[in-house]
Amino acid sequence: GNSVTQMEGPVTLSEEAFLTINCTYTATGYPSLFWYVQYPGEGLQLLLKATKADDKGSNKGFEATYRKETTSFHLEKGSVQVSDSAVYFCALSKENSGYSTLTFGKGTMLLVSP
Amino acid sequence: DAGVTQSPTHLIKTRGQQVTLRCSPKSGHDTVSWYQQALGQGPQFIFQYYEEEERQRGNFPDRFSGHQFPNYSSELNVNALLLGDSALYLCASSLKLTETQYFGPGTRLLVL
Repeated sequence: GNSVTQMEGPVTLSEEAFLTINCTYTATGYPSLFWYVQYPGEGLQLLLKATKADDKGSNKGFEATYRKETTSFHLEKGSVQVSDSAVYFCALSKENSGYSTLTFGKGTMLLVSP
Repeated sequence: DAGVTQSPTHLIKTRGQQVTLRCSPKSGHDTVSWYQQALGQGPQFIFQYYEEEERQRGNFPDRFSGHQFPNYSSELNVNALLLGDSALYLCASSLKLTETQYFGPGTRLLVL
C-alpha cells in the first residue's frame, strides 16, 4: 500500500538557519506529493505541491522537488523565521476511479528560536 | 470566499455515546473527505463523499458513518464512542477529479 515516511522531530533551529525536512514515499504508479503545515491548535494548510517527477513546488520561501528516482520530496527553506514554527506533514495523493485520497506521514515538528 | 468550516470546535462525550460533526466545504467544491488525527500523529483517511454517496473508505469500523447533503455539506457520525476515538477530526474539500484538498480547522473530540 501507499506510505509516507518523514524524519522524526523536533527539528530545532535558530532564526535564519537553513531547513531541510526529509520525506520519502512508497506508492505504485505516479502519485502527487504535498506538504501541509499545521500551526498549534489549527487545521492543516496546504503549503506546496508537485504532480509529476522533477516538478518543484514552492511557496512562502519553502520549496520541494519531486524525485522519482529516490522516491523523495524533501522540504527546504533557506532562512527560517520564528513564525515558521509548526508541524509539517508530507502527503501523497493517489487517484482511484476518479477519486483521490491523501496518505500522510507522521509529521515533523519545527521549532525556531530567535 | 469562505474556506472549509467545521462545527463544533470542541466536544466532550462519554464512552458509549454518539456524536455528529458537521462540515461545510469551500465555495465551489463538491467533494468532502474526513480524516482522524490522533495526538502526535498524521491524519488518517476515514471516508470521502461525492454526490451524496460514500465513494471511498479507509480502514475504520462501521461505527463511523457519514452523510452528504445536496448543498455539499457533510456530517460525520460516530456511534458507541470509545476512549480511542478521542482525536482531532478534520474535514477537507476538493473538486472531483482534482487532487488538492483544503482542510477546515477541525473538531477536537474528547471521549471520557
